[in-house]
Amino acid sequence: AQSVTQLDSQVPVFEEAPVELRCNYSSSVSVYLFWYVQYPNQGLQLLLKYLSGSTLVKGINGFEAEFNKSQTSFHLRKPSVHISDTAEYFCAVSDLRGDNMLTFGGGTRLMVKP
Amino acid sequence: NAGVTQTPKFRILKIGQSMTLQCTQDMNHNYMYWYRQDPGMGLKLIYYSVGAGITDKGEVPNGYNVSRSTTEDFPLRLELAAPSQTSVYFCASSYPPEASAFFGQGTRLTVV
Repeated sequence: AQSVTQLDSQVPVFEEAPVELRCNYSSSVSVYLFWYVQYPNQGLQLLLKYLSGSTLVKGINGFEAEFNKSQTSFHLRKPSVHISDTAEYFCAVSDLRGDNMLTFGGGTRLMVKP
Repeated sequence: NAGVTQTPKFRILKIGQSMTLQCTQDMNHNYMYWYRQDPGMGLKLIYYSVGAGITDKGEVPNGYNVSRSTTEDFPLRLELAAPSQTSVYFCASSYPPEASAFFGQGTRLTVV
Protein backbone atom coordinates (compact mmCIF):
# COMPACT_ATOMS: atom_id res chain seq x y z
CA ALA A 1 0.00 0.00 0.00
CA GLN A 2 1.06 3.56 -0.59
CA SER A 3 0.43 6.84 1.18
CA VAL A 4 0.98 10.44 0.15
CA THR A 5 1.52 13.43 2.43
CA GLN A 6 1.23 16.99 1.25
CA LEU A 7 2.85 18.96 4.00
CA ASP A 8 1.03 22.26 3.49
CA SER A 9 -2.74 22.53 3.27
CA GLN A 10 -2.54 26.15 2.12
CA VAL A 11 0.24 28.18 0.54
CA PRO A 12 -0.28 31.94 0.12
CA VAL A 13 2.15 33.67 -2.21
CA PHE A 14 2.39 36.99 -4.03
CA GLU A 15 2.16 37.18 -7.78
CA GLU A 16 5.51 36.72 -9.59
CA ALA A 17 7.09 35.08 -6.53
CA PRO A 18 8.47 31.52 -6.67
CA VAL A 19 6.56 28.70 -5.04
CA GLU A 20 7.24 25.15 -3.90
CA LEU A 21 4.49 22.70 -2.98
CA ARG A 22 5.81 19.76 -0.99
CA CYS A 23 4.89 16.11 -1.44
CA ASN A 24 6.27 13.05 0.31
CA TYR A 25 5.18 9.48 -0.32
CA SER A 26 5.56 6.09 1.28
CA SER A 27 5.59 2.84 -0.66
CA SER A 28 7.18 -0.59 -0.42
CA VAL A 29 7.33 -0.84 -4.22
CA SER A 30 8.35 1.44 -7.08
CA VAL A 31 5.75 4.00 -8.05
CA TYR A 32 4.75 6.46 -10.70
CA LEU A 33 4.31 10.03 -9.41
CA PHE A 34 1.87 12.72 -10.50
CA TRP A 35 0.76 16.26 -9.85
CA TYR A 36 -2.80 17.25 -10.70
CA VAL A 37 -4.40 20.70 -10.56
CA GLN A 38 -8.04 21.42 -9.77
CA TYR A 39 -9.46 24.84 -10.60
CA PRO A 40 -12.64 25.89 -8.77
CA ASN A 41 -15.65 23.73 -9.66
CA GLN A 42 -13.62 21.74 -12.17
CA GLY A 43 -12.28 18.23 -12.49
CA LEU A 44 -8.62 17.35 -12.06
CA GLN A 45 -6.13 18.07 -14.82
CA LEU A 46 -2.71 16.45 -15.13
CA LEU A 47 0.18 18.90 -14.58
CA LEU A 48 3.08 16.49 -14.90
CA LYS A 49 4.17 12.95 -14.19
CA TYR A 50 7.28 10.95 -13.42
CA LEU A 51 7.42 7.44 -14.83
CA SER A 52 11.18 6.88 -15.21
CA GLY A 53 14.35 8.52 -16.51
CA SER A 54 15.33 12.09 -15.66
CA THR A 55 14.31 13.02 -12.14
CA LEU A 56 13.45 16.60 -13.17
CA VAL A 57 10.09 16.64 -14.88
CA LYS A 58 8.61 19.62 -16.70
CA GLY A 59 4.86 20.05 -16.99
CA ILE A 60 2.29 22.45 -18.30
CA ASN A 61 1.94 26.11 -17.28
CA GLY A 62 5.64 26.44 -16.34
CA PHE A 63 5.55 23.94 -13.46
CA GLU A 64 8.27 21.40 -12.78
CA ALA A 65 8.89 18.74 -10.16
CA GLU A 66 11.88 16.77 -8.98
CA PHE A 67 11.76 13.15 -7.93
CA ASN A 68 14.06 12.37 -5.01
CA LYS A 69 14.08 8.65 -4.33
CA SER A 70 16.23 8.81 -1.19
CA GLN A 71 13.92 11.36 0.41
CA THR A 72 10.77 9.84 -1.15
CA SER A 73 9.72 13.30 -2.29
CA PHE A 74 8.24 14.85 -5.41
CA HIS A 75 8.04 18.58 -4.77
CA LEU A 76 6.35 20.89 -7.29
CA ARG A 77 7.93 24.23 -8.18
CA LYS A 78 7.27 27.29 -10.29
CA PRO A 79 9.73 30.19 -10.52
CA SER A 80 7.10 32.90 -10.95
CA VAL A 81 3.39 32.40 -10.23
CA HIS A 82 0.41 34.16 -11.76
CA ILE A 83 -3.02 34.94 -10.35
CA SER A 84 -4.37 32.26 -12.68
CA ASP A 85 -2.35 29.59 -10.82
CA THR A 86 -4.72 29.91 -7.85
CA ALA A 87 -6.11 26.39 -7.49
CA GLU A 88 -5.84 23.19 -5.49
CA TYR A 89 -2.91 20.94 -6.27
CA PHE A 90 -2.85 17.20 -5.63
CA CYS A 91 0.13 14.90 -5.50
CA ALA A 92 -0.61 11.25 -6.33
CA VAL A 93 1.19 7.94 -6.76
CA SER A 94 0.41 4.74 -8.59
CA ASP A 95 2.23 1.46 -8.21
CA LEU A 96 3.47 -0.49 -11.20
CA ARG A 97 0.94 -3.32 -10.96
CA GLY A 98 -0.86 -2.11 -14.05
CA ASP A 99 -4.30 -1.25 -12.70
CA ASN A 100 -3.31 2.44 -12.61
CA MET A 101 -5.04 3.17 -9.31
CA LEU A 102 -4.06 6.52 -7.86
CA THR A 103 -3.44 7.27 -4.18
CA PHE A 104 -3.82 10.99 -3.50
CA GLY A 105 -2.48 13.38 -0.93
CA GLY A 106 -4.84 15.71 0.90
CA GLY A 107 -4.20 18.60 -1.47
CA THR A 108 -2.55 22.03 -1.20
CA ARG A 109 -4.50 25.17 -1.89
CA LEU A 110 -2.28 27.70 -3.67
CA MET A 111 -3.51 31.24 -3.20
CA VAL A 112 -1.77 33.81 -5.38
CA LYS A 113 -2.23 37.38 -4.22
CA PRO A 114 -1.72 40.52 -6.33
CA ASN B 1 -13.71 14.60 -28.33
CA ALA B 2 -15.72 14.95 -25.09
CA GLY B 3 -13.38 12.95 -22.81
CA VAL B 4 -15.05 11.84 -19.55
CA THR B 5 -18.64 13.04 -19.06
CA GLN B 6 -20.49 12.85 -15.75
CA THR B 7 -24.16 13.49 -15.08
CA PRO B 8 -25.75 15.05 -13.13
CA LYS B 9 -23.50 17.91 -12.02
CA PHE B 10 -25.48 18.51 -8.82
CA ARG B 11 -28.00 16.48 -6.85
CA ILE B 12 -29.73 16.64 -3.49
CA LEU B 13 -30.98 13.36 -2.07
CA LYS B 14 -33.01 12.56 1.00
CA ILE B 15 -31.74 9.94 3.43
CA GLY B 16 -32.68 6.47 2.20
CA GLN B 17 -33.20 7.45 -1.43
CA SER B 18 -31.23 5.84 -4.21
CA MET B 19 -29.66 7.21 -7.36
CA THR B 20 -27.20 6.43 -10.13
CA LEU B 21 -24.31 8.69 -11.08
CA GLN B 22 -23.58 8.33 -14.76
CA CYS B 23 -20.11 8.29 -16.33
CA THR B 24 -19.19 7.78 -19.95
CA GLN B 25 -15.91 8.16 -21.83
CA ASP B 26 -15.21 8.28 -25.55
CA MET B 27 -11.46 7.59 -25.50
CA ASN B 28 -11.77 3.79 -25.63
CA HIS B 29 -9.96 3.48 -22.29
CA ASN B 30 -10.09 0.10 -20.63
CA TYR B 31 -9.61 1.38 -17.09
CA MET B 32 -12.24 3.44 -15.29
CA TYR B 33 -12.51 4.65 -11.68
CA TRP B 34 -14.83 6.33 -9.22
CA TYR B 35 -13.36 8.60 -6.57
CA ARG B 36 -14.95 10.72 -3.89
CA GLN B 37 -13.45 13.99 -2.72
CA ASP B 38 -13.95 15.30 0.78
CA PRO B 39 -12.39 18.55 2.08
CA GLY B 40 -8.79 18.10 3.21
CA MET B 41 -8.87 14.38 2.43
CA GLY B 42 -7.84 14.32 -1.20
CA LEU B 43 -9.59 11.75 -3.36
CA LYS B 44 -10.44 8.23 -2.21
CA LEU B 45 -11.04 5.35 -4.61
CA ILE B 46 -14.51 3.80 -4.39
CA TYR B 47 -14.53 1.24 -7.22
CA TYR B 48 -12.58 0.60 -10.36
CA SER B 49 -12.79 -1.48 -13.53
CA VAL B 50 -10.06 -2.77 -15.82
CA GLY B 51 -12.43 -3.67 -18.62
CA ALA B 52 -16.01 -4.47 -19.55
CA GLY B 53 -17.48 -7.04 -17.18
CA ILE B 54 -14.74 -6.60 -14.56
CA THR B 55 -15.10 -4.47 -11.43
CA ASP B 56 -13.33 -4.37 -8.09
CA LYS B 57 -13.53 -2.54 -4.78
CA GLY B 58 -11.32 0.37 -3.91
CA GLU B 59 -10.56 1.92 -0.55
CA VAL B 60 -14.11 3.07 0.38
CA PRO B 61 -16.70 0.85 -1.38
CA ASN B 62 -19.33 0.52 1.37
CA GLY B 63 -22.73 1.87 0.34
CA TYR B 64 -21.94 1.86 -3.37
CA ASN B 65 -22.23 -0.48 -6.34
CA VAL B 66 -20.97 -0.35 -9.91
CA SER B 67 -21.37 -2.17 -13.19
CA ARG B 68 -19.38 -2.14 -16.42
CA SER B 69 -21.40 -3.60 -19.28
CA THR B 70 -19.61 -1.58 -21.98
CA THR B 71 -16.16 -0.03 -22.38
CA GLU B 72 -17.69 3.46 -22.47
CA ASP B 73 -19.98 3.46 -19.40
CA PHE B 74 -19.28 3.02 -15.69
CA PRO B 75 -22.30 4.02 -13.56
CA LEU B 76 -22.08 4.32 -9.76
CA ARG B 77 -25.15 3.32 -7.74
CA LEU B 78 -26.07 4.56 -4.26
CA GLU B 79 -28.79 2.30 -2.85
CA LEU B 80 -29.66 3.86 0.53
CA ALA B 81 -28.26 7.36 0.69
CA ALA B 82 -26.72 8.46 3.99
CA PRO B 83 -25.39 11.87 5.08
CA SER B 84 -21.85 10.39 5.10
CA GLN B 85 -22.15 10.08 1.31
CA THR B 86 -22.34 13.85 0.89
CA SER B 87 -19.30 14.49 -1.26
CA VAL B 88 -18.03 15.38 -4.71
CA TYR B 89 -17.74 12.33 -6.95
CA PHE B 90 -15.28 12.07 -9.80
CA CYS B 91 -15.15 9.52 -12.55
CA ALA B 92 -11.85 8.94 -14.35
CA SER B 93 -10.43 6.78 -17.09
CA SER B 94 -6.92 5.78 -18.08
CA TYR B 95 -4.97 3.50 -20.39
CA PRO B 96 -1.95 1.29 -19.95
CA PRO B 97 1.00 1.38 -19.85
CA GLU B 98 1.09 5.01 -18.74
CA ALA B 99 -1.00 5.74 -15.68
CA SER B 100 -2.29 9.21 -16.60
CA ALA B 101 -5.93 9.54 -15.64
CA PHE B 102 -8.51 11.77 -17.30
CA PHE B 103 -11.18 13.11 -14.97
CA GLY B 104 -14.76 14.20 -15.44
CA GLN B 105 -16.10 17.50 -14.09
CA GLY B 106 -17.55 15.90 -10.98
CA THR B 107 -20.97 15.41 -9.38
CA ARG B 108 -21.69 17.33 -6.19
CA LEU B 109 -24.04 15.22 -4.07
CA THR B 110 -25.73 16.37 -0.88
CA VAL B 111 -27.70 13.92 1.30
CA VAL B 112 -30.12 15.56 3.73
